[in-house]
Amino acid sequence: DAKTTQPNSMESNEEEPVHLPCNHSTISGTDYIHWYRQLPSQGPEYVIHGLTSNVNNRMASLAIAEDRKSSTLILHRATLRDAAVYYCILSFRLWGMNYGGSQGNLIFGKGTKLSVKP
Amino acid sequence: KAGVTQTPRYLIKTRGQQVTLSCSPISGHRSVSWYQQTPGQGLQFLFEYFSETQRNKGNFPGRFSGRQFSNSRSEMNVSTLELGDSALYLCASSLVLSGGYEQYFGPGTRLTVT
Repeated sequence: DAKTTQPNSMESNEEEPVHLPCNHSTISGTDYIHWYRQLPSQGPEYVIHGLTSNVNNRMASLAIAEDRKSSTLILHRATLRDAAVYYCILSFRLWGMNYGGSQGNLIFGKGTKLSVKP
Repeated sequence: KAGVTQTPRYLIKTRGQQVTLSCSPISGHRSVSWYQQTPGQGLQFLFEYFSETQRNKGNFPGRFSGRQFSNSRSEMNVSTLELGDSALYLCASSLVLSGGYEQYFGPGTRLTVT
């Protein structure tokens, strides 16, 4: 299973940008890079995903390295509500077909606990 | 559009009993995945259902089972409960098979086994 490596924790100041890194050196060509976050006492929330090109949405931006071995989730202006655990996840299934030996669709690691200071 | 709903939200069971948890996906979503979250193991994938068929399964014993109905609603069942089954059980729905598509999670069912 393709794995990701993230720092255990990060701190940010409110209204400043936050760059959350993720390493995935064993990523394969068909793996999507997903980011989810989990606020306290809630289920995970989808943030963004991408394959090769950088992606932007209303919540965040995803910057993917050219070799795809790393990516960075960018929160442009952190708010107190952004304090959460952020998960970087690889999805390793081809469309409509399972790889032999696939363990599942999303494998959540420990994630990065982001603290935002006022 | 209503989000993913899970019932019940909290449950207390005794060791050896069985339990059934329910998940209603977002309208139009055909894939439902189940996860177990514990402080020690984090979030672990249980299984995924799509069009009433189990399409993928994680590394859990056979005591954990599930099914999906024609309206995409899903249930998971845990038989012969053990203390270690105490966890937050989350379900997530997706428009199609979840690889490459975002999943939307419900609030979870907090199961306590005593």
